[in-house]
Amino acid sequence: DQQVKQNSPSLSVQEGRISILNCDYTNSMFDYFLWYKKYPAEGPTFLISISSIKDKNEDGRFTVFLNKSAKHLSLHIVPSQPGDSAVYFCAASGETSYDKVIFGPGTSLSVIP
Amino acid sequence: ETGVTQSPTHLIKTRGQQVTLRCSSQSGHNTVSWYQQALGQGPQFIFQYYREEENGRGNFPPRFSGLQFPNYSSELNVNALELDDSALYLCASSLGGNTIYFGEGSWLTVV
Repeated sequence: DQQVKQNSPSLSVQEGRISILNCDYTNSMFDYFLWYKKYPAEGPTFLISISSIKDKNEDGRFTVFLNKSAKHLSLHIVPSQPGDSAVYFCAASGETSYDKVIFGPGTSLSVIP
Repeated sequence: ETGVTQSPTHLIKTRGQQVTLRCSSQSGHNTVSWYQQALGQGPQFIFQYYREEENGRGNFPPRFSGLQFPNYSSELNVNALELDDSALYLCASSLGGNTIYFGEGSWLTVV
């Protein structure tokens, strides 16, 4: 039972354009959401997070939007750069600090120069 | 760089053997989680340790076991290795927050 879903295995975007990566979740107890980026042969790197009390969080070129009623979040990257080419994982955890973090299957983003 | 270090980086084992993977958490981080990432999949939660006690476990059989030491470093042990255990094993640490920080991982190949 996959609690965190990323239905697009891959995405290609032109350099300078917006990249939008989507994520859906099924567990209404999830309270905190994260995005990680992973290059080949490296561990995942934390990118940005959002608490369920917010609907938007921005950090430079990265913005995460949360729609709790739809159980949907998205990561926007503007403008996209070739160095953004990586696999992006959506993740979620519960309300307590020690809840496990559950990951989606990932979306491979290619930014074309 | 997260400050989480894992060893070894790569290893090859034979089916039926046992393996121990090691992780040093980021300084001050008292919580360690282990994940298995198979090719083309997201990281799957194995278990989590907080102050030397296991406080959460995913859908992995008992032959996957772990330890956390007083300095918060950790080990993942896998007994009776199977071919399907071939994967990237990731250690992540945190200071009780929801954000976890990963090491580079240990690539295990079972032949």
